[in-house]
Amino acid sequence: AQSVTQLGSHVSVSEGALVLLRCNYSSSVPPYLFWYVQYPNQGLQLLLKYTSAATLVKGINGFEAEFKKSETSFHLTKPSAHMSDAAEYFCAVSRGGNNRLAFGKGNQVVVIP
Amino acid sequence: EAGVTQFPSHSVIEKGQTVTLRCDPISGHDNLYWYRRVMGKEIKFLLHFVKESKQDESGMPNNRFLAERTGGTYSTLKVQPAELEDSGVYFCASSQDEHYGYTFGSGTRLTVV
Repeated sequence: AQSVTQLGSHVSVSEGALVLLRCNYSSSVPPYLFWYVQYPNQGLQLLLKYTSAATLVKGINGFEAEFKKSETSFHLTKPSAHMSDAAEYFCAVSRGGNNRLAFGKGNQVVVIP
Repeated sequence: EAGVTQFPSHSVIEKGQTVTLRCDPISGHDNLYWYRRVMGKEIKFLLHFVKESKQDESGMPNNRFLAERTGGTYSTLKVQPAELEDSGVYFCASSQDEHYGYTFGSGTRLTVV
């Protein structure tokens, strides 16, 4: 079975500072990994995904994530936080083949001016 | 292309009543998924359709929940009778190929009072 761990339900970051959201996964097969973002009163939007190609994945809005098999991690980063990055972020894993996603508990990001 | 459409966006019903949620996937997407997020918890998988067939319904909480996808197009999720613990946000997602990710709708916020 696949599972995801996201620590720290609430993350505060200063505007202009590094955003780092940690995601560790467990998977019995090579995983497909995703980061989704949910802005207030909106649905889930795909930020980026890893599907067994390049280990450093670039997404929208300046975010990127690196797949590290040895660490079973897929941490999300952005060099400089912007006020518009305030949202909830979810890491998810799938075993591919259009199988279901397993989500982490999410990180609520607050950006401090 | 149009995204995944869910309606209603909000529904408030009394315990014991019936509610039907609808999801219109992206045209041509054979895979359709239902997920639910209960307040304070992670997003949980409910079930997966491939065209009109239920591929995986292992996440359905109990027999008060009935999902259908007649003709392999839109899907409905009926809760009958609704209980207080059914409150949450119900998300629908569709995909054609896992390499392109899963596109989510904006969700239906269900409140059972």
